[in-house]
Amino acid sequence: GAGVSQSPRYKVAKRGQDVALRCDPISGHVSLFWYQQALGQGPEFLTYFQNEAQLDKSGLPSDRFFAERPEGSVSTLKIQRTQQEDSAVYLCASSRSGVSHEQYFGPGTRLTVT
Amino acid sequence: AQSVTQLGSHVSVSEGALVLLRCNYSSSVPPYLFWYVQYPNQGLQLLLKYTTGATLVKGINGFEAEFKKSETSFHLTKPSAHMSDAAEYFCAVRPSNFGNEKLTFGTGTRLTIIP
Repeated sequence: GAGVSQSPRYKVAKRGQDVALRCDPISGHVSLFWYQQALGQGPEFLTYFQNEAQLDKSGLPSDRFFAERPEGSVSTLKIQRTQQEDSAVYLCASSRSGVSHEQYFGPGTRLTVT
Repeated sequence: AQSVTQLGSHVSVSEGALVLLRCNYSSSVPPYLFWYVQYPNQGLQLLLKYTTGATLVKGINGFEAEFKKSETSFHLTKPSAHMSDAAEYFCAVRPSNFGNEKLTFGTGTRLTIIP
């Protein structure tokens, strides 16, 4: 079946612009995660949904970052007034409900803020 | 709280030689442990995971890892390296209790295979 898809794959934004990154999880996966991966680093947790409920947003770096999953499927990560430090790869992952299920990752969106 | 330390940001091995990538973790509750591989411009692919049961876990592409609670380690090994193993490898940990599913990753180890 289809894996996790993300769009766009690459995004260049001028500093101060707003961006929206989309994630389509695997069909039927209840949990959805966003991670930020800076160059040369491991992914860092941003936020987590179970269905449409955002259960943990402790990793969002500032109030310029906002995520939603209104119908419990597709999710959008929005960054307002982008800054150069926002340049990174944004990874989305989904998983089935349950404690031991692994997360399946999408290819990521590489955001470059100029 | 959880954390992961991967010793060695770069590891080089000859084709056919043993691969050993080190991972140590810290967790306040019994952990679940994972190894992921990342090829250039791609997302992460799960190699193997430890949740419960047997502490020696076998994964895809001939990799395996052993959970050693006393050493708080989960090192990744492969007996014979192949050129296709060249990639970035990430160890990750999450708590085993329900409701806390976020992964904490190490900083990664870039594996280079020498022909």
